[in-house]
Amino acid sequence: GQSLEQPSEVTAVEGAIVQINCTYQTSGFYGLSWYQQHDGGAPTFLSYNALDGLEETGRFSSFLSRSDSYGYLLLQELQMKDSASYFCAVREAAGNKLTFGGGTRVLVKP
Amino acid sequence: EAGVAQSPRYKIIEKRQSVAFWCNPISGHATLYWYQQILGQGPKLLIQFQNNGVVDDSQLPKDRFSAERLKGVDSTLKIQPAKLEDSAVYLCASSGDSLPYGYTFGSGTRLTVV
Repeated sequence: GQSLEQPSEVTAVEGAIVQINCTYQTSGFYGLSWYQQHDGGAPTFLSYNALDGLEETGRFSSFLSRSDSYGYLLLQELQMKDSASYFCAVREAAGNKLTFGGGTRVLVKP
Repeated sequence: EAGVAQSPRYKIIEKRQSVAFWCNPISGHATLYWYQQILGQGPKLLIQFQNNGVVDDSQLPKDRFSAERLKGVDSTLKIQPAKLEDSAVYLCASSGDSLPYGYTFGSGTRLTVV
């Protein structure tokens, strides 16, 4: 089975940087994904890391360390529209099944 | 490209009643998933289809939940009879078979069982 841990809530001001950590335990691992979900909306795909290192996509970056079973999502130059829940999700070795963490609610204040 | 379509958007039923949800995935996506998301939690996989075959239904409460994907395209998820604890958002997603393997989710069906 899989288990993922991430902080439940983070608060920051506009323009700041936020790092959301995710630690996982898994019997099979292909990669770590990140999804964003606004209240009442559908989760949307942000990034995927299969190999160790940093992947950058605009203001968002994602990092993976397979040896530490750890990853993080970095949100830079925070904007009000970044207020949402962020989920890490492990892609299992078998198929493309994703197991999601409990989510981190990010609140951006003016 | 068109997104993942789901209906209905909202549903309120009494406990012990039955309900069905419909999903139309992105054209060409062979893999389709149904997730249950309880308020304040992450999505939990109920069932995964590859074309019209079931890949994983280990977390589907089979005594009350059923799902099918006829002809490898549209899918329906049914609950019969519903319980209060089934109140949640039911999300359908589909994915292709190439990197970055991202899911595209539908807007979901918010089910309230009273």
